[in-house]
Amino acid sequence: NAGVTQTPKFRVLKTGQSMTLLCAQDMNHEYMYWYRQDPGMGLRLIHYSVGEGTTAKGEVPDGYNVSRLKKQNFLLGLESAAPSQTSVYFCASSYWTGGQYFGPGTRLTVT
Amino acid sequence: AQTVTQSQPEMSVQEAETVTLSCTYDTSESDYYLFWYKQPPSRQMILVIRQEAYKQQNATENRFSVNFQKAAKSFSLKISDSQLGDAAMYFCAYRRPAGNTPLVFGKGTRLSVIA
Repeated sequence: NAGVTQTPKFRVLKTGQSMTLLCAQDMNHEYMYWYRQDPGMGLRLIHYSVGEGTTAKGEVPDGYNVSRLKKQNFLLGLESAAPSQTSVYFCASSYWTGGQYFGPGTRLTVT
Repeated sequence: AQTVTQSQPEMSVQEAETVTLSCTYDTSESDYYLFWYKQPPSRQMILVIRQEAYKQQNATENRFSVNFQKAAKSFSLKISDSQLGDAAMYFCAYRRPAGNTPLVFGKGTRLSVIA
């Protein structure tokens, strides 16, 4: 049981490049989330999904897109990366009740 | 909108002593969940303890316990017999009971443990 995994762990992009972050969970959780963590800001929700094929915007969705084609996977895309998107990105999943389980994070730097 | 406030950016405690981290929240809901997460230097977010608002009894997990004061909207975390491995960022979080509502996090408290 791997829990929540994220790929890649580190990435450096140039401004304007695109990339996709992959989150996978093997706990059969319905709900999945993408957060970003910036110094002094705590964790802020980007997008989330309440089930396969559904997504919803969180607190800071601009510049990101997501897809949940399979229940176990939640993808976060950056179409045209900007330096303001330099951050640590966390994926999480949960059942209907209870706490969320987090992946190990992806450190993204946009130059 | 719900907000979570952690008023102590940094705290320190001597090894084997007890420390209490504060958290307050703002909500108009009567039913909700509260959580404490630990984030060590590895960056992994680890669920420490959870509390359902409808339960009057304070949650306890080994050396970790909470003081939940619903009327005051306060949810503090007590760590007893502090260990060096307890050094981390601690985040308080709130969630409404509906399953499709995400967590709202405080900005965190950095805990140092002094040997």
